Amino acid sequence: GAGVSQSPSNKVTEKGKDVELRCDPISGHTALYWYRQSLGQGLEFLIYFQGNSAPDKSGLPSDRFSAERTGGSVSTLTIQRTQQEDSAVYLCASRWTSGGASTGELFFGEGSRLTVL
Amino acid sequence: SQQGEEDPQALSIQEGENATMNCSYKTSINNLQWYRQNSGRGLVHLILIRSNEREKHSGRLRVTLDTSKKSSSLLITASRAADTASYFCATEGTYKYIFGTGTRLKVLA
Repeated sequence: GAGVSQSPSNKVTEKGKDVELRCDPISGHTALYWYRQSLGQGLEFLIYFQGNSAPDKSGLPSDRFSAERTGGSVSTLTIQRTQQEDSAVYLCASRWTSGGASTGELFFGEGSRLTVL
Repeated sequence: SQQGEEDPQALSIQEGENATMNCSYKTSINNLQWYRQNSGRGLVHLILIRSNEREKHSGRLRVTLDTSKKSSSLLITASRAADTASYFCATEGTYKYIFGTGTRLKVLA
């Protein structure tokens, strides 16, 4: 696609429900990142995927959070049993890499704004 | 926290003036990047400076990097109302990007 696509753009859910957020990276970008941005704050790293390598999950805040990337392309971030503190904008970014080289630039989607009531 | 720090947190200037924002970081880096975020939108890459570079220019943007002080600055010259946004620095180590807390810039017409 022309850019990183995220869906839904907005999600309102009730506390305790599960949510799935989707990211479709730029075609050919092998690296994919999820970040969380709370209101007026910086970006908090959640998870990183690179090709077929095991993902770096070190930023996931609890075991209620999980993510997968199917076929090296689309990624889904799942939050189980949502809590009010999960309310934030979830941003996905992708990056071109080849043989260890990279331009370094991250391309971001518009984000999924999650509100947990 | 590994997060970088930026200052000022907020900056309000008149159109035509220059805007300077600073970023400090904690770890060794491969490069440092600046991103812009308009309200409610994703981040857009502005400029990248490598760890062996000291200064870089792109249009009205000038970035400096001092690795001995672990700091960088972004200068926007001749600001415009359309420059109103939040600006974030991001440091890249191996593959991880650590973002600063951001500077909210408001340019008054």
